[in-house]
Amino acid sequence: GNSVTQMEGPVTLSEEAFLTINCTYTATGYPSLFWYVQYPGEGLQLLLKATKADDKGSNKGFEATYRKETTSFHLEKGSVQVSDSAVYFCALTDSGAGSYQLTFGKGTKLSVIP
Amino acid sequence: DTAVSQTPKYLVTQMGNDKSIKCEQNLGHDTMYWYKQDSKKFLKIMFSYNNKELIINETVPNRFSPKSPDKAHLNLHINSLELGDSAVYFCASSQGKVAGVQDTQYFGPGTRLTVL
Repeated sequence: GNSVTQMEGPVTLSEEAFLTINCTYTATGYPSLFWYVQYPGEGLQLLLKATKADDKGSNKGFEATYRKETTSFHLEKGSVQVSDSAVYFCALTDSGAGSYQLTFGKGTKLSVIP
Repeated sequence: DTAVSQTPKYLVTQMGNDKSIKCEQNLGHDTMYWYKQDSKKFLKIMFSYNNKELIINETVPNRFSPKSPDKAHLNLHINSLELGDSAVYFCASSQGKVAGVQDTQYFGPGTRLTVL
């Protein structure tokens, strides 16, 4: 079946530090990959996505590249801000498996301190 | 205007009670979902409806029953609540059946259910 594994949190960084949150996946077909962000007390928002190998998704200074050879979709940001403090979820949909839903990783909590 | 709304935001109730959570989307989407987020923040799909038709029904107790009176609404009714049902429940919607590949899922703010 499909699964998503992301690094355990929490992650605490100082403002302007470099961020990497690792995400790897297993899928039976050809997945599309996503990062969602959940700010405190809110629902999930799509941060970025990539639908095929070597695609790079980017938004708000965050980037992730779809690496089929390593089955990874690591999230990066060059300089984090306090406002980036949130829980980040890696997720996939896999059209090859005929499934419609998002499969999420367990989330990584990021805290950015001034 | 809120795209996906849920009521109530907080729900505290006793074991054994029956409760409902309502969800509405004003995006004109065809597909709606219910997800459960446990205390460790793990998110898992429960149900999905496309144009009022059930298309995803994951392994959840049959005490949980979704109802879609029209494609803009997907309500979740829970019978005989148990302690383990305590969680945050998120509603979401997307334009098509194949969530994510062509469409973005838009999430509601969540309903925090606490069963005492």
